[in-house]
Amino acid sequence: QVQLVQSGAEVKKPGASVKVSCKASGYTFVNNGIAWVRQAPGHGLEWMGWISVYNGNTNYAQKFQGRVTMTADKNTNTAYMELRSLRSDDTAVYYCARVWQELVRGNWFDPWGQGTLVTVSS
Amino acid sequence: DMQMTQSPSSLSPSVGERVTITCRTSQAIYTFLNWYQQKPGKAPNLLIYGASNLQSGVPSRFSGGGSGTDFTLTITNLQPEDSATYYCQQSYSTSWTFGQGTKVEVK
Repeated sequence: QVQLVQSGAEVKKPGASVKVSCKASGYTFVNNGIAWVRQAPGHGLEWMGWISVYNGNTNYAQKFQGRVTMTADKNTNTAYMELRSLRSDDTAVYYCARVWQELVRGNWFDPWGQGTLVTVSS
Repeated sequence: DMQMTQSPSSLSPSVGERVTITCRTSQAIYTFLNWYQQKPGKAPNLLIYGASNLQSGVPSRFSGGGSGTDFTLTITNLQPEDSATYYCQQSYSTSWTFGQGTKVEVK
């Protein structure tokens, strides 16, 4: 079955970087993009950006421009999200999700990874 | 930036009732609107894509509608397992965005 399995929880100090992985299985990895969405404790979902696995093109939310890098390794079917210059308000669960695209229906996310808790604390 | 407004922010219907959640966008987005269900401690789950298309495996009591700027998610014959937070999401603009969520607690 289609599955996205993310790396484990991380604890980082302010100013550090974190790199979260998302390993895909059960489908042809290059056929879909991977999106990253985060959720701060007690808050809603926030889209961070996405990467086309096929050609490596990325589209980041303006809020994260310059601080985030999304990559995908076609050899290992794994996507990565690196966030730099971490602050306490970056504490959140980070999700990856497979991106579906259709010209007439738009883009949607299915399935999602299980989430990775990133805690930023001094 | 595209603004998205969901209403209501929360509701407490009874088992068997019908509920409608509304999502309004600040600009017209055709039908580039999706709905997700999220239960506590779990990843979101896709319910509806392209405004009205039911994702495979999702019960038929869930339905979506609308186009342009106004969209709805309707749940008929509510079940206890439908207690969750529901989010809309648009993919029309370059920057995709989610609504703030609607918490449904089935009594």
